[in-house]
Amino acid sequence: AQSVTQLGSHVSVSEGALVLLRCNYSSSVPPYLFWYVQYPNQGLQLLLKYTSAATLVKGINGFEAEFKKSETSFHLTKPSAHMSDAAEYFCAVIRNTGNQFYFGTGTSLTVIP
Amino acid sequence: ETGVTQTPRHLVMGMTNKKSLKCEQHLGHNAMYWYKQSAKKPLELMFVYSLEERVENNSVPSRFSPECPNSSHLFLHLHTLQPEDSALYLCASSQDHGGRGGYTFGSGTRLTVV
Repeated sequence: AQSVTQLGSHVSVSEGALVLLRCNYSSSVPPYLFWYVQYPNQGLQLLLKYTSAATLVKGINGFEAEFKKSETSFHLTKPSAHMSDAAEYFCAVIRNTGNQFYFGTGTSLTVIP
Repeated sequence: ETGVTQTPRHLVMGMTNKKSLKCEQHLGHNAMYWYKQSAKKPLELMFVYSLEERVENNSVPSRFSPECPNSSHLFLHLHTLQPEDSALYLCASSQDHGGRGGYTFGSGTRLTVV
């Protein structure tokens, strides 16, 4: 079955510290991978996506993610956390032969001043 | 404004009421989706429409009835709901049914069933 696993439902970092949100996928074929962010009382907003062009993907708001096939991972990082980064982050996958998104359970990011 | 507009933003309804959620997209997308987001649970795909035809219905109770009159509009008709149906209902659209370019989400309707 196609799925993603987000390790850690809650992550806290200090303002200015590195942000690392983990996502592992299960797939027998190269997938399409996405990270979305959800601010309180809002819908999901696309941060970045991997579609097999480049393994390091840069997104909005200074976030980036690296596709590592050997580790079946697509972790999201940001060098320096900002207070405005506090939100829920979702990893999602769609198999390139399929047509349905599978979302992870989400990671809530707290940024401590 | 994200390009996908959902109304109303908040809705409180009794279990015997009938109400509808509306979703509108101005992105020229051909596929639209309804998701249910409940606390501490993964997003649940409810319905998928591609070119105005329903292509997926993920075992959703019949008290939820979708309607897609054209490629820009999607409705979710609600009747005789249960308290456990209280959730954030998200509409999304994508260029095509595959969604490989990603989905664009609306801000959601926060539904409370009393």
